[in-house]
Amino acid sequence: KAGVTQTPRYLIKTRGQQVTLSCSPISGHRSVSWYQQTPGQGLQFLFEYFSETQRNKGNFPGRFSGRQFSNSRSEMNVSTLELGDSALYLCASSLPLTSGGDEQYFGPGTRLTVT
Amino acid sequence: GDSVTQMEGPVTLSEEAFLTINCTYTATGYPSLFWYVQYPGEGLQLLLKATKADDKGSNKGFEATYRKETTSFHLEKGSVQVSDSAVYFCALSSTNAGKSTFGDGTTLTVKP
Repeated sequence: KAGVTQTPRYLIKTRGQQVTLSCSPISGHRSVSWYQQTPGQGLQFLFEYFSETQRNKGNFPGRFSGRQFSNSRSEMNVSTLELGDSALYLCASSLPLTSGGDEQYFGPGTRLTVT
Repeated sequence: GDSVTQMEGPVTLSEEAFLTINCTYTATGYPSLFWYVQYPGEGLQLLLKATKADDKGSNKGFEATYRKETTSFHLEKGSVQVSDSAVYFCALSSTNAGKSTFGDGTTLTVKP
C-alpha cells in the first residue's frame, strides 16, 4: 500500500506570494491533517479534513486555508507569505475510528522557504 | 486543553545503553497515546501506541506503558543502537480523531 505523498518536496517563495501544497493520503483513509513544524514552535496543528469538511482547526491566521477533494486528496494554501511561514509542512492521514484517537501516517513533508 | 510534556533533550548515549525518555500528558477524557520517530529529512513514523490505561505498546525493542494514575507514557529501550539516533515525539489523540497533540520532541544521539 502506498504511503502518504506530498508535493512538492521543496519550495522557495518570496514574501507576499502565495503557495499551494498538495497531499495524497493512504488509499482508504478519509481524514487528512496538516501540521507546521519549526525548530522554535515544534509541531503545530493547522487543520483536519474529513469527507471534504474541515472538522478541526488550530490557531493559525486566516492566511492558512485548506480543502479536501472527493478522492480524499487535500491541498493547503498560504496567502501573503511571511518570513515566519518558513517551515516543514507535514500532512498526515488516518482511518477515523468511532471512538478514541487514531494513529496518523505522515508524509515526508514539504519544506517551504520564504525569502 | 490537551498538552504533552517531554523530557528535554538532547540525549546522548553510548551504544547498548539503556534509554528512557519521559513523557507526561494532560487531556480530557481517555486519549490514545503514541510515540513517533522522525529521522533526518523525513516525516514522522509511528513507533508504538497504547489506547487504554495499563496497555503496553512495543515495537523494535522500544516499550511504553500507559499510566493513567501518573498521566505518563515513558519510552524505554534496553539497549540502543546507532541506528536509533533520531527525534522522538510523544503524542496524544483524544476523541477528535485526526488531531494529535505533540510534545516538543527529544533528540537522541547514539555514539558507537
